[in-house]
Amino acid sequence: AQSVTQPDIHITVSEGASLELRCNYSYGATPYLFWYVQSPGQGLQLLLKYFSGDTLVQGIKGFEAEFKRSQSSFNLRKPSVHWSDAAEYFCAVGGTGGSYIPTFGRGTSLIVHP
Amino acid sequence: DAGITQSPRYKITETGRQVTLMCHQTWSHSYMFWYRQDLGHGLRLIYYSAAADITDKGEVPDGYVVSRSKTENFPLTLESATRSQTSVYFCASTRDSYSPLHFGNGTRLTVT
Repeated sequence: AQSVTQPDIHITVSEGASLELRCNYSYGATPYLFWYVQSPGQGLQLLLKYFSGDTLVQGIKGFEAEFKRSQSSFNLRKPSVHWSDAAEYFCAVGGTGGSYIPTFGRGTSLIVHP
Repeated sequence: DAGITQSPRYKITETGRQVTLMCHQTWSHSYMFWYRQDLGHGLRLIYYSAAADITDKGEVPDGYVVSRSKTENFPLTLESATRSQTSVYFCASTRDSYSPLHFGNGTRLTVT
């Protein structure tokens, strides 16, 4: 069965600092990969997705993520964090092996200090 | 407006009462999902549906019932609410397994 691990429950950064949120997945082939963001009181919103091709993908709000097959990772990055980026971030793998059910990581809570 | 809407946004009910959470999407997506979100547990799948009249249990289905008579609607019913069902509930839909999920804004349910 596929799985998604986000090893950091909380991450604290200062405004203007760079950010990297980690995501590791377990799946034999190349999965469909997603990052979502959840602002307080809201549902999850898609930040970016990877299906194939260029391993560095650009998303909304200045985020990017890099797929590394050798490390089974899909880490999310942003060069300069804004206070409004404080939110919960979820990594997910799309349905595989005939299943349409995605697998989500537990989420990483980003705290931004002024 | 196209989208996915959940109602109500907030609900307080008493233990033992039946309550239904509504979910409506305007894209005619085939696949729909119900999740609950609790601190320390992330998102847990309650029920899912591949099409009208096709539903299946997820990770935590006990105490919940779903129906899907129309493609656009996927209501979730708590037959006899318990305090452990106090949570935030999210409905989501997608076109296929390759596409991202679209989430509603959630229903915050409190069972007293």
